[in-house]
Amino acid sequence: NAGVTQTPKFQVLKTGQSMTLQCAQDMNHEYMSWYRQDPGMGLRLIHYSVGAGITDQGEVPNGYNVSRSTTEDFPLRLLSAAPSQTSVYFCASSEGGRSGNTIYFGEGSWLTVV
Amino acid sequence: AQSVTQLDSQVPVFEEAPVELRCNYSSSVSVYLFWYVQYPNQGLQLLLKYLSGSTLVKGINGFEAEFNKSQTSFHLRKPSVHISDTAEYFCAVSEFGGSQGNLIFGKGTKLSVKP
Repeated sequence: NAGVTQTPKFQVLKTGQSMTLQCAQDMNHEYMSWYRQDPGMGLRLIHYSVGAGITDQGEVPNGYNVSRSTTEDFPLRLLSAAPSQTSVYFCASSEGGRSGNTIYFGEGSWLTVV
Repeated sequence: AQSVTQLDSQVPVFEEAPVELRCNYSSSVSVYLFWYVQYPNQGLQLLLKYLSGSTLVKGINGFEAEFNKSQTSFHLRKPSVHISDTAEYFCAVSEFGGSQGNLIFGKGTKLSVKP
């Protein structure tokens, strides 16, 4: 049972480069989201989706783009990487429709922007 | 809007001692409450959650938490910790009855269990 799978696990980017963090889930979950984790800050929501074709912004969306063309996949795009985007990124999913459902997290993607 | 405050950023404790990790929340609406654990270099795993009913919630690995509405708290407890409990613990809330379930996290508490 794979759950939520993120790739790559580690990435180093130069300032101004673009890249995509991949996220896939095999649980047929409607809800998917991306969080970033910074030391002493907890996790902050970047973007989320409640189903294919539907996305919305979270707390810290600037500099990131998402799309949801299938139920399984929810990629996160960094348009022009900045050092402030150095962080650990977590993709998450849950059954959709209401809050209170357990949210399952991937193992994280460590991104360094130099 | 909701916010979560974890009152201790680090908690050192000796093995087999009891531990309490404190969490307070602020919200203008009713909320669901969660505790997640993150082991080093891993993702987050749900320990327990409070949706409704009994205010004492039991979770995995011997942890439990008590919801106190009047004090807007959801403290996590374990009567006897093990070395393997060393991890970072996050308290989180989501809006009751919300349609998406986005979580608002506290800043985390690092539990360090010493032999």
